[in-house]
Amino acid sequence: GAGVSQSPSNKVTEKGKDVELRCDPISGHTALYWYRQSLGQGLEFLIYFQGNSAPDKSGLPSDRFSAERTGGSVSTLTIQRTQQEDSAVYLCASVRGSSYNEQFFGPGTRLTVL
Amino acid sequence: AQTVTQSQPEMSVQEAETVTLSCTYDTSESDYYLFWYKQPPSRQMILVIRQEAYKQQNATENRFSVNFQKAAKSFSLKISDSQLGDAAMYFCAYRGKDSNYQLIWGAGTKLIIKP
Repeated sequence: GAGVSQSPSNKVTEKGKDVELRCDPISGHTALYWYRQSLGQGLEFLIYFQGNSAPDKSGLPSDRFSAERTGGSVSTLTIQRTQQEDSAVYLCASVRGSSYNEQFFGPGTRLTVL
Repeated sequence: AQTVTQSQPEMSVQEAETVTLSCTYDTSESDYYLFWYKQPPSRQMILVIRQEAYKQQNATENRFSVNFQKAAKSFSLKISDSQLGDAAMYFCAYRGKDSNYQLIWGAGTKLIIKP
């Protein structure tokens, strides 16, 4: 596809369950970001991948959160033992390269933890 | 640490009129980028306009323009001839040029267009 895609669009889970959120960046984009957006708030940085470099995980709120990027393309954000405060929209963005500025965003995954 | 502040949680404007959204930021860096993003109800974040700090000329994109005041650390967005499709959340964001590849985001301003 031409843009960044994310799946699922919506996810409802029970407290304590694990969830996986997927991001397919634009083909050829080497940089990928995950953000969390709580209701009515701005974006909170979670993690950043750039090429084959070690990811910047400085924004992950706890060790229940992890992410990987396979083959420099698709990325999966995993949240273990979900809590109600994890409920938010999770946005993924890709960038052509580290010297470029524009982040292209996916439509996000709305996660609801009951 | 850099911060971005949007002091207007919500703004409303009559269709076809002009509205200005405010953004201020704090940084010790001399060169950086500033952005305005639009997020409609579809959740898709869309880049509206960007400004490079070393450029004195204000960026414009059709009906959208910015008033960049570097000394005052202000970066407001002006939307002329407002249209119903402009209704969305608008976010101001900052990126340092050299050391910081992350975007620092404001909390957003909800723009309502009155028909």
